[in-house]
Amino acid sequence: QSVLTQPPSVSAAPGQKVTISCSGSSSNIGNDYVSWYQQLPGTAPKLLIYDNDKRPSGIPDRFSGSKSGTSGTLGITGLQTGDEADYYCGAWDSSLSGFVFGGGTKLTVL
Amino acid sequence: EVQLVESGGGLVQPGESLRLSCASSGFSFNLYWMTWVRQAQGMGLEWVATIKPDGTEKYHVDSVKGRFTISRDNAKNSVFLQMNSLRVEDTAVYYCVRGVRSAESFWGQGTLVTVSS
Repeated sequence: QSVLTQPPSVSAAPGQKVTISCSGSSSNIGNDYVSWYQQLPGTAPKLLIYDNDKRPSGIPDRFSGSKSGTSGTLGITGLQTGDEADYYCGAWDSSLSGFVFGGGTKLTVL
Repeated sequence: EVQLVESGGGLVQPGESLRLSCASSGFSFNLYWMTWVRQAQGMGLEWVATIKPDGTEKYHVDSVKGRFTISRDNAKNSVFLQMNSLRVEDTAVYYCVRGVRSAESFWGQGTLVTVSS
């Protein structure tokens, strides 16, 4: 049982938009920034979004992030088959004094 | 080019120890928080431990406290994870991560630790 809650899977057609939610609490997302990670099959994870809504250099603007209260959301527009991956959210939890990840969401581009 | 190369993984029996190493290059290692994250096969990511750039602050997930210790040697541009009293449930790929949630986050390719009798 992960501290941050994500839907196990989402799917959409190529070219469409999808959102992935990440629900936490006042001790993590409510009190800290949300990060998002992409893990393509068979590879190491990569940071997609940091500080709720910022993109590291090299991440296309098709990827966006937002935060409201104790929840964060990852948005992906113009879906491509190459976006099929597992997506994880993360945040620092002040009660646990540790970083916590969501359980991950598998994106399928139909 | 930024590189993080993990080593030290392998097959051990329950109760034994392993020391993971992560050798870095291509950046100023002594300026970054470093983290270990693990992933059991077919499962999600689990944060294991984080250490401050100067080594004065360390954080570990509850499930490894008292068994694992993160450390670093800034002169050797390396971070380590000493794992004692290993359990079957510690079996995972262990990733070394620079700045897990910063703009300059970078992940190594991981090293596999298997704990089995």
